[in-house]
Amino acid sequence: GDSVTQMEGPVTLSEEAFLTINCTYTATGYPSLFWYVQYPGEGLQLLLKATKADDKGSNKGFEATYRKETTSFHLEKGSVQVSDSAVYFCALLSGGYNKLIFGAGTRLAVHP
Amino acid sequence: ETGVTQSPTHLIKTRGQQVTLRCSSQSGHNTVSWYQQALGQGPQFIFQYYREEENGRGNFPPRFSGLQFPNYSSELNVNALELDDSALYLCASSLGSGQGGEAQYFGPGTRLLVL
Repeated sequence: GDSVTQMEGPVTLSEEAFLTINCTYTATGYPSLFWYVQYPGEGLQLLLKATKADDKGSNKGFEATYRKETTSFHLEKGSVQVSDSAVYFCALLSGGYNKLIFGAGTRLAVHP
Repeated sequence: ETGVTQSPTHLIKTRGQQVTLRCSSQSGHNTVSWYQQALGQGPQFIFQYYREEENGRGNFPPRFSGLQFPNYSSELNVNALELDDSALYLCASSLGSGQGGEAQYFGPGTRLLVL
């Protein structure tokens, strides 16, 4: 079945460091891909999405490119802030109907 | 534009009881999906409702059931609660049944504790 694998956390960075969170997927066909962010005690917020190969999703300085050849959707940000500390989830939209399959999440901690 | 809202925010129940969680979808959205998020894990799909009909179900037993109303709001009902049902229950709304890769927008969740 379809699945998503994310790099294990926590990821600890200093403010203004470069961020990469790896995400790879297994799916039949070409699913839409998403990154969601969850702040402590809150629900999930959509961060960015890509619906086809080579699409780049971007929002709030975060970017991710849909790579069909490597089945990856890595999240990057050039300069993280303390306020970016949260748990980040990679997800795919499973074919057939609107079911999101999530990775286990990666906790990011940014220190001043 | 009103976002997705859920009620209640927190709930404590005892094993064997029944619970109903509620969700109001984002304005203009006709699809509601429910997810269970255990502590430290990613959300797991429970089921989805599209135009008041169940449109897919995850690997959850029949004691998890739902409804969608004509205004597209939704309820999740869980009977015969078990300790493992303790989790954050998330509702997400979207427009359409998923064929176009539409994004889902989540509410803040209901945290259920079963004692």
